[in-house]
Amino acid sequence: GQQVMQIPQYQHVQEGEDFTTYCNSSTTLSNIQWYKQRPGGHPVFLIQLVKSGEVKKQKRLTFQFGEAKKNSSLHITATQTTDVGTYFCAGNGDNAGNMLTFGGGTRLMVKP
Amino acid sequence: DVKVTQSSRYLVKRTGEKVFLECVQDMDHENMFWYRQDPGLGLRLIYFSYDVKMKEKGDIPEGYSVSREKKERFSLILESASTNQTSMYLCASSLIGDVETQYFGPGTRLLVL
Repeated sequence: GQQVMQIPQYQHVQEGEDFTTYCNSSTTLSNIQWYKQRPGGHPVFLIQLVKSGEVKKQKRLTFQFGEAKKNSSLHITATQTTDVGTYFCAGNGDNAGNMLTFGGGTRLMVKP
Repeated sequence: DVKVTQSSRYLVKRTGEKVFLECVQDMDHENMFWYRQDPGLGLRLIYFSYDVKMKEKGDIPEGYSVSREKKERFSLILESASTNQTSMYLCASSLIGDVETQYFGPGTRLLVL
């Protein structure tokens, strides 16, 4: 079945440093979504990427979808303490219908 | 705003008990999902439903069953709870459409003793 791997599992950064999490799928994806889960909270949708090579920005967050539609990344510029949480990618395979396969998440910790 | 609610935030049950987790969404979404979340394993899909009385197995359906008698309600059932089912259970719903954003409930933390 489809597998989605996410690295790193944990990341500590100093406030102001950049952060990147990477997502790789074993199969081609029709789209990929990113979610953020604050400590003690539930996942909240951030963005969806659909096109090969697509790049989308939300303020300090930059999301990329690979040319082969099998990988994606989330980059945060100049992290802030409000960025703390776990970031999940979730892929929708070409033949997966409504099913999303989630990566294991990257837990970001920001030191003030 | 989409609202997804779950019947309990915390539950403590004993091994062998039957456990019902309920999820209700108020946005007329066709799709509903049950995940469990464990440290280091991310979110794993247990079951999902794309319509009333319809269900599909996810990645880890063993030991679980589901019920969708009404569009807004999706129940997860543990017929005989075991300690390895101690976890955080998250319900989600989404529309069928181009952007199938999933909206999550607050989660139920289940402890099986």
